[in-house]
Amino acid sequence: KNEVEQSPQNLTAQEGEFITINCSYSVGISALHWLQQHPGGGIVSLFMLSSGKKKHGRLIATINIQEKHSSLHITASHPRDSAVYICAVYQAGTALIFGKGTTLSVSS
Amino acid sequence: EAQVTQNPRYLITVTGKKLTVTCSQNMNHEYMSWYRQDPGLGLRQIYYSMNVEVTDKGDVPEGYKVSRKEKRNFPLILESPSPNQTSLYFCASSIISGNTEAFFGQGTRLTVV
Repeated sequence: KNEVEQSPQNLTAQEGEFITINCSYSVGISALHWLQQHPGGGIVSLFMLSSGKKKHGRLIATINIQEKHSSLHITASHPRDSAVYICAVYQAGTALIFGKGTTLSVSS
Repeated sequence: EAQVTQNPRYLITVTGKKLTVTCSQNMNHEYMSWYRQDPGLGLRQIYYSMNVEVTDKGDVPEGYKVSRKEKRNFPLILESPSPNQTSLYFCASSIISGNTEAFFGQGTRLTVV
């Protein structure tokens, strides 16, 4: 049973398009993380959310705790946004549970 | 610069030859963790540490050991590596567990032949 489901698994876009990646989870959580993994392999934290919405540059993350769902939006996508985006949830007292990731490819 | 440093970045070794992957953070974080990443399986936790001298098993601890003698260092030890431990490994740290931002090392790509 996958406690964290991401969709789509793969996403191809043209430069400038609006991108949405979804994350659904089945457990009660105290925080949700969005991570970015570039082709070189390194992982960076984009957002940590426990409620509402956060924005950083062209990236927006939202979470609906009641519906157990989060979305990551990228406005005006660019080839440098090409990466794997990973959702991870945290239940208090346990470890991070990761989704399998969404591979985004943006072409110019 | 705040960072988590892993070494080595790449390692090819033979079955049974003990190895250590080092992890060091300069942010005075209490929580540190090791993950492995495999195609189709995503990231899975191996071990974690809530503070110095406090370590616990994650989801896939078999074949691994860790220690936390100092706050900044959290080495991963493979006493007798096997080919099924071929993977991409990440160390991460945060102020406290999963309720704060996580900082990841650059990864160690390990191949056991």
